[in-house]
Amino acid sequence: EAQVTQNPRYLITVTGKKLTVTCSQNMNHEYMSWYRQDPGLGLRQIYYSMNVEVTDKGDVPEGYKVSRKEKRNFPLILESPSPNQTSLYFCASFWGDEQFFGPGTRLTVL
Amino acid sequence: AQTVTQSQPEMSVQEAETVTLSCTYDTSESDYYLFWYKQPPSRQMILVIRQEAYKQQNATENRFSVNFQKAAKSFSLKISDSQLGDAAMYFCAYRALDSGYALNFGKGTSLLVTP
Repeated sequence: EAQVTQNPRYLITVTGKKLTVTCSQNMNHEYMSWYRQDPGLGLRQIYYSMNVEVTDKGDVPEGYKVSRKEKRNFPLILESPSPNQTSLYFCASFWGDEQFFGPGTRLTVL
Repeated sequence: AQTVTQSQPEMSVQEAETVTLSCTYDTSESDYYLFWYKQPPSRQMILVIRQEAYKQQNATENRFSVNFQKAAKSFSLKISDSQLGDAAMYFCAYRALDSGYALNFGKGTSLLVTP
């Protein structure tokens, strides 16, 4: 089954404690991206990757890092999370007419 | 970045009735894609319908159809014969051809379906 998986689905953490949200797709898509969703703001792109070792900033990249060492994986890294990064995060992969969103990760930073 | 505006934060419709959700966008491009996504309480993002700007014919998917007015930069979603399962947040999104697959989303419209 074609899908994008994210882990964890829920996370509560404290300010400054580094965390990684994993994202994996099994469709061999070259393009992957991360979005955050906040009430009243819709979804905004954080980072995207056109292919292995090729990543670039989206609209709201501050406080985040990504890496793309393998085509299937695109982890989102918060080196020093802050309360304003409390949000719902989506990973997505695209190619041609295909697009898949992951199930979302609800992150709370205290 | 292109702006996508959904002017209706909330809408309500009775079961079996028809509702139209509005979306306008701002772009200087002549070719692009437009999408409507549904986000039910499960939070999953579900693609409802897509429209290529070069196609004049409005896209249709079962009970969902769009009214695409390119000159007016308007892309409304019509849901016919509304069902309880249609209750969700709906997002309009724009994608330029030269932006990879980056999506610009509106702020969303929450649709309530009443029996």
